[in-house]
Amino acid sequence: DVKVTQSSRYLVKRTGEKVFLECVQDMDHENMFWYRQDPGLGLRLIYFSYDVKMKEKGDIPEGYSVSREKKERFSLILESASTNQTSMYLCASSSNNVLTFGAGSRLTVL
Amino acid sequence: AQTVTQSQPEMSVQEAETVTLSCTYDTSENNYYLFWYKQPPSRQMILVIRQEAYKQQNATENRFSVNFQKAAKSFSLKISDSQLGDTAMYFCAFMKHGPFTNMRFGAGTRLTVKP
Repeated sequence: DVKVTQSSRYLVKRTGEKVFLECVQDMDHENMFWYRQDPGLGLRLIYFSYDVKMKEKGDIPEGYSVSREKKERFSLILESASTNQTSMYLCASSSNNVLTFGAGSRLTVL
Repeated sequence: AQTVTQSQPEMSVQEAETVTLSCTYDTSENNYYLFWYKQPPSRQMILVIRQEAYKQQNATENRFSVNFQKAAKSFSLKISDSQLGDTAMYFCAFMKHGPFTNMRFGAGTRLTVKP
């Protein structure tokens, strides 16, 4: 089975801190994604990547950046965390148009 | 841009009964995929079922089936013989065919199966 691993299940950070959310997949998938999940809004795409060092903005990229230096790893970076970035963050990778998700990282910004 | 609408924020069903979750979408594309994903409480999102738009036959996976109405842009999920383990958030999603495309999700329907 494809495994998508998100390094942190729960994080608590302070406003203004730099935050790294790491995601690793083990099935050599080309495409990787970062979504944000909020109640009543579903999942909204922040960024996606279809190859190493390639990235595309999703629907809500403001306040976020990403890094894909290796095929298996896709990192989401909050340069200066704000309280409105408190959310559940889901990483996914895809093959044959099917997304496989990680367990999620719940971030609280105080 | 494509949009996905789930008009039922919450639903409940008795164990062993059948329930249908609604989903509509808006697109000008002709070739695309539709999905239902399930997210159990505090657990990982998993794929329930997938439909390719060019296929007229409705997809089925065990107790889960869809009613795909392409002209109406409707994609409902039917769960038969509901089980307690079906309690979850269910998300409808759309992806257009081709490379470098992303998946768009609805807001979700919280389904509770009652004993």
